[in-house]
Amino acid sequence: QVQLQESGPRLVKPSETLSLSCGVSGDFSSSYYWTWIRQAPGKGLEWIGYTFYSGSTDYNPSLRSRLTISVDQSKQQFSLKLSAVTAADTAVYFCARYAPISGAFDFWGHGTLVTVSS
Amino acid sequence: DIQMTQSPSSLSASVGDRVTITCRASESISRYLSWYQKKPGKAPNLLIYTASTLQGGVPSRFSGSGSGTDFALTISNLQPEDFATYYCQQSYNTHFSFGPGTTVDI
Repeated sequence: QVQLQESGPRLVKPSETLSLSCGVSGDFSSSYYWTWIRQAPGKGLEWIGYTFYSGSTDYNPSLRSRLTISVDQSKQQFSLKLSAVTAADTAVYFCARYAPISGAFDFWGHGTLVTVSS
Repeated sequence: DIQMTQSPSSLSASVGDRVTITCRASESISRYLSWYQKKPGKAPNLLIYTASTLQGGVPSRFSGSGSGTDFALTISNLQPEDFATYYCQQSYNTHFSFGPGTTVDI
């Protein structure tokens, strides 16, 4: 059974960088896309981006200029950095595993609320 | 990128009802469509993938259909634990996108 767990600061000041990590227990391999998704208060789900085990990435074009997703194979974790944040980046951030064989996000972290405020 | 729409945005139903939620893609996505159930404070839960395949452990009262641009999620014999928000998601393009959600309430 795969488990994912987000960690990182819950409060970030405007214009600073939001940083989160997702620890993975279980199968952390190249078969999957390791993904970040967020949900702003009262809004729907938004795909942020993903990394492969190899470190290759792809990002939501609306966030690409501010976004870095990376992987640390030795720690079995992947990370998100979003720079120059504003109140619009306040959201619950989820990490999730995308399985190409099903075309779906089959395992999710519990999510962590990150608030952007001074 | 592919845009997803859902209808209705919300619906009211009763225990035992049959409800259907529709999802439309802005272009053909074959059957690369998944459905998730989302409850407040919880992570989304995968219900159906490839348009109609039930994820393991999901009750058989959930079913999915469709292909191309038009899809549906049907919940038969609605149970109290089914009151939630439902999202569709396309994976035809790996710039993944979700529908805006449909809230099913009492």
